[in-house]
Amino acid sequence: GENVEQHPSTLSVQEGDSAVIKCTYSDSASNYFPWYKQELGKRPQLIIDIRSNVGEKKDQRIAVTLNKTAKHFSLHITETQPEDSAVYFCAARKTALIFGKGTTLSVSS
Amino acid sequence: DTAVSQTPKYLVTQMGNDKSIKCEQNLGHDTMYWYKQDSKKFLKIMFSYNNKELIINETVPNRFSPKSPDKAHLNLHINSLELGDSAVYFCATATGKTQYFGPGTRLLVL
Repeated sequence: GENVEQHPSTLSVQEGDSAVIKCTYSDSASNYFPWYKQELGKRPQLIIDIRSNVGEKKDQRIAVTLNKTAKHFSLHITETQPEDSAVYFCAARKTALIFGKGTTLSVSS
Repeated sequence: DTAVSQTPKYLVTQMGNDKSIKCEQNLGHDTMYWYKQDSKKFLKIMFSYNNKELIINETVPNRFSPKSPDKAHLNLHINSLELGDSAVYFCATATGKTQYFGPGTRLLVL
């Protein structure tokens, strides 16, 4: 089955810096790669996604890149703000979403 | 926020008890899921239903039994609760590939 590895597990940045989270997946048949943000005590919320026929997608300060050949995808957050602090999950989907283990992002002001 | 709802929000119970968690969605989505999030925040899929039919049944103890009475509901019944069942259980629904989570049920087994 699908296996998703996510790095780093924790990430601390200063406000205004960029943050990058990387994921790799194992099943080349996976074709959809969303990113979720989970604040403390809340549900995971979809923030951006990318499909396997696209290499890059951007939405304001967040962007996702996908390298199908290498089977890895990344989340980029620019100009980080304290409210970006949360746990971020990548996922890969063939028949169901399989999640990475999460990255705890801390943005200090 | 009420598009996918779960009850109860919190559940505290003794080992050995049987309990149920309910999920309801008003989005008209065909596919519903149960995920378990443990204390290390790992989100693991348990079950997937499509149009009331079980599609995915991951390696989950048979003490866990999902039931989908109709497309809008997916319930999770747990028999003989164990300490290790303590976690947050999330229901989710999907249309196409996009998946939406319910607010979660925090289960604590004492």
